[in-house]
Amino acid sequence: EPEVTQTPSHQVTQMGQEVILRCVPISNHLYFYWYRQILGQKVEFLVSFYNNEISEKSEIFDDQFSVERPDGSNFTLKIRSTKLEDSAMYFCASSDSGGGSNEQFFGPGTRLTVL
Amino acid sequence: KQEVTQIPAALSVPEGENLVLNCSFTDSAIYNLQWFRQDPGKGLTSLLLIQSSQREQTSGRLNASLDKSSGRSTLYIAASQPGDSATYLCAVSGNFNKFYFGSGTKLNVKP
Repeated sequence: EPEVTQTPSHQVTQMGQEVILRCVPISNHLYFYWYRQILGQKVEFLVSFYNNEISEKSEIFDDQFSVERPDGSNFTLKIRSTKLEDSAMYFCASSDSGGGSNEQFFGPGTRLTVL
Repeated sequence: KQEVTQIPAALSVPEGENLVLNCSFTDSAIYNLQWFRQDPGKGLTSLLLIQSSQREQTSGRLNASLDKSSGRSTLYIAASQPGDSATYLCAVSGNFNKFYFGSGTKLNVKP
C-alpha cells in the first residue's frame, strides 16, 4: 500500500544550524503539507503546498521556514536557523486533491531535537 | 479560529467494552473531519474520513458520526481490544485542507 515516507527519523542539531527535513509523498498526490507536534501539545498546521506554490501557511511558518519540491518525488522543509523551541515532531502529509474533501495521509514523522 | 476539543482526555476500559470518544469543534463550516490513531512516538494513522455532506462512516469495529450543525463528532469502538490502546485524534479541515487537531483521547484497553 502506498505510504508517505520521511527522513531522517530523528535529527539532532545545534541551535542556529540549518536543517532540512525530507518527505516523499504518495506518488500520485498533488497536495502536500507540513505539520508539527511539540511534545505534549496538539498537532499544528505549518504549511500547504500545491502546484509548486504555498497555498496557505500558519503564523508559525515565518521567514525561518521554507518548503520546496526539488524534483518529482521529494518535498522538503528547511529551517534556516534553528531555535530551541523548534524541537518537535514534524509530520509530512499528502492528499490527492484539494477542496478540503479528501483524505490526508501522514508520514511517520521526523523528531527534531535542537540543543 | 477553529477550536477542536476532545473529551475525555484519557479513558481506561476493560477488554470487550464498547466505547465512545467525543470531538467538538467551534466553526461548523468544515469540509471534512478525519479521525486518526497515534501510537506513542509514532506517526498518525488515518482511521476514518467523513466528508461534510456525510453523517457517518464505518470501518470494521469503528463507526464515526458527524453532526455539523452542532459541531460534534463521535468515534464508536465496538468490542475493544488491548491492541486498540493508543491516542485517538480528531481533526477538521477548512480551506486549503488545513487541519485543526484536537488534543486527543488516550485510550487504554486492559486485558
